[in-house]
Amino acid sequence: NAGVTQTPKFRILKIGQSMTLQCTQDMNHNYMYWYRQDPGMGLKLIYYSVGAGITDKGEVPNGYNVSRSTTEDFPLRLELAAPSQTSVYFCASSYSVGITEAFFGQGTRLTVV
Amino acid sequence: GQQVMQIPQYQHVQEGEDFTTYCNSSTTLSNIQWYKQRPGGHPVFLIQLVKSGEVKKQKRLTFQFGEAKKNSSLHITATQTTDVGTYFCAGGSGGSNYKLTFGKGTLLTVNP
Repeated sequence: NAGVTQTPKFRILKIGQSMTLQCTQDMNHNYMYWYRQDPGMGLKLIYYSVGAGITDKGEVPNGYNVSRSTTEDFPLRLELAAPSQTSVYFCASSYSVGITEAFFGQGTRLTVV
Repeated sequence: GQQVMQIPQYQHVQEGEDFTTYCNSSTTLSNIQWYKQRPGGHPVFLIQLVKSGEVKKQKRLTFQFGEAKKNSSLHITATQTTDVGTYFCAGGSGGSNYKLTFGKGTLLTVNP
């Protein structure tokens, strides 16, 4: 099992550019999440999804968009990148009942210059 | 909104010393989870606690969930260099076991 796979691992964007961070999981989890992690600040929830076709905002959704057309994929779109979006982004997935352990991807380190 | 505070922010210990990190929530939690993140890595799940007053052990790690389900702690006995990393608590609330609010984490460094 690959678990949660994120691409790319690293990216440098210029201010105003757009990009999509890809996330795929092969564990048939209904729930998927996008977090950003800034130094010393823990993880902040950007968006989450409880199933294909259903998405909802987390704590810090501004400047981001998501879609969930399949159970496996949960891409995160950055429109008009800003320096404040420089961060490490983690995608995660979990079961919906019982032990709802979040399985994290390896992360994408994004720098906006 | 819900806030989860975690202290201390940093802890440096000599190998063999004990370590404890504490987590406090502004609201009652439905469950609390603990994660470990090695430098440069991604968070890895350690445990989930759901019952009031629950205590769970994993080898040298002891996890507690408070009676009021608003606080939790992680205690490591006799730290080893392999324990180095940032330990995060994450709380679920409002009937949601899955939508977690993370604390800022405690960075543990261990001097051999």
